[in-house]
Amino acid sequence: QKEVEQDPGPLSVPEGAIVSLNCTYSNSAFQYFMWYRQYSRKGPELLMYTYSSGNKEDGRFTAQVDKSSKYISLFIRDSQPSDSATYLCAMRILRAAGNKLTFGGGTRVLVKP
Amino acid sequence: GAVVSQHPSWVICKSGTSVKIECRSLDFQATTMFWYRQFPKQSLMLMATSNEGSKATYEQGVEKDKFLINHASLTLSTLTVTSAHPEDSSFYICSARRGESPYEQYFGPGTRLTVT
Repeated sequence: QKEVEQDPGPLSVPEGAIVSLNCTYSNSAFQYFMWYRQYSRKGPELLMYTYSSGNKEDGRFTAQVDKSSKYISLFIRDSQPSDSATYLCAMRILRAAGNKLTFGGGTRVLVKP
Repeated sequence: GAVVSQHPSWVICKSGTSVKIECRSLDFQATTMFWYRQFPKQSLMLMATSNEGSKATYEQGVEKDKFLINHASLTLSTLTVTSAHPEDSSFYICSARRGESPYEQYFGPGTRLTVT
């Protein structure tokens, strides 16, 4: 079993819809949670990061962490075609050896105009 | 700020030759640099972690003699794929960390390696 599970998709939504993405994890030592966006043939870029359980909003993006359920989510409101990309969740324990991030497999999102 | 560049962005080489990929942090000094490999429609797989002036720490299953990493300065790391074979064809992404925060890890645009 992978430490971080993420549905690969593809997730296809119409423009303007809410995109809902999630990851589950098995290691309760994960403390830092991040969401990256990766366009095709590009490097990932950090979208959101959280440390504690609860919600965090930034513009159209909302990140949720539920440590008791080992579940994190990312919501994208008013989705745009430019949001079409692969979204990767990533996690790290408090004092990770080598500061390593553990990535989910990524979910491919397609927002149709 | 926090820009990471990679060069080249795409390289084609013949089987048996070596190819070097450069990773630079353009506007910050990187305490740690990471090299990842990504196959189509798959996630990033960490290959190795390196600190300036130290030997790289390789992940299990990654051949040290095949993937040579040199972290020459706080802004430059190189990955050399030696005696490349078609199965080494992949997307290689470097990442540089600024400071101690886990959120301050910035990724390069990636290098597509095709071995013929």
